[in-house]
Amino acid sequence: ETGVTQSPTHLIKTRGQQVTLRCSSQSGHNTVSWYQQALGQGPQFIFQYYREEENGRGNFPPRFSGLQFPNYSSELNVNALELDDSALYLCASSHPGGSENGYTFGSGTRLTVV
Amino acid sequence: QQQVKQSPQSLIVQKGGISIINCAYENTAFDYFPWYQQFPGKGPALLIAIRPDVSEKKEGRFTISFNKSAKQFSLHIMDSQPGDSATYFCAAVSGSARQLTFGSGTQLTVLP
Repeated sequence: ETGVTQSPTHLIKTRGQQVTLRCSSQSGHNTVSWYQQALGQGPQFIFQYYREEENGRGNFPPRFSGLQFPNYSSELNVNALELDDSALYLCASSHPGGSENGYTFGSGTRLTVV
Repeated sequence: QQQVKQSPQSLIVQKGGISIINCAYENTAFDYFPWYQQFPGKGPALLIAIRPDVSEKKEGRFTISFNKSAKQFSLHIMDSQPGDSATYFCAAVSGSARQLTFGSGTQLTVLP
């Protein structure tokens, strides 16, 4: 059974650019959530996808968007990057019902915006 | 708005000692309270969790104590080991997406 895989592991982008981060869910998990973890802070919920539809969203602007594919993998897209977008972006997969069944987090993508 | 407040920010404990991390929440819609452990370069991993209708849950050396009326909960790590050195996050769950609201984290160092 494979875990959650995220790519790339590190990324440097320039302010104003766009970025796409990718996540492969753990086998058997059909729900994917994305979190942003600023340095020294706890992760913050961005959004969740279930059956290829957005199933909940945190307090993030529309320039943060996502996709889930039929194989349950997912993408996080961020447009018009700002310096404050520099963070570790975590993907977490789960069965429906979320945390009660245990989220499995990937190791994250470290995004630096310069 | 920080909905889950966690303290202390950092904690140093001798091997064999007890580590205690405290959290408080404001939102009464929270209905599940997990703790996560995060090692450098890794994502958080679920450690132990509790529902608000239970006052205590123990799994091995890890115990959660929950006080619903005070809206507080804590993690106790008994017989702390150097391998427990990590950042610990309390969290609370709400909403149809069962999203996690995390505390700000506690960096635990267990000295050998």
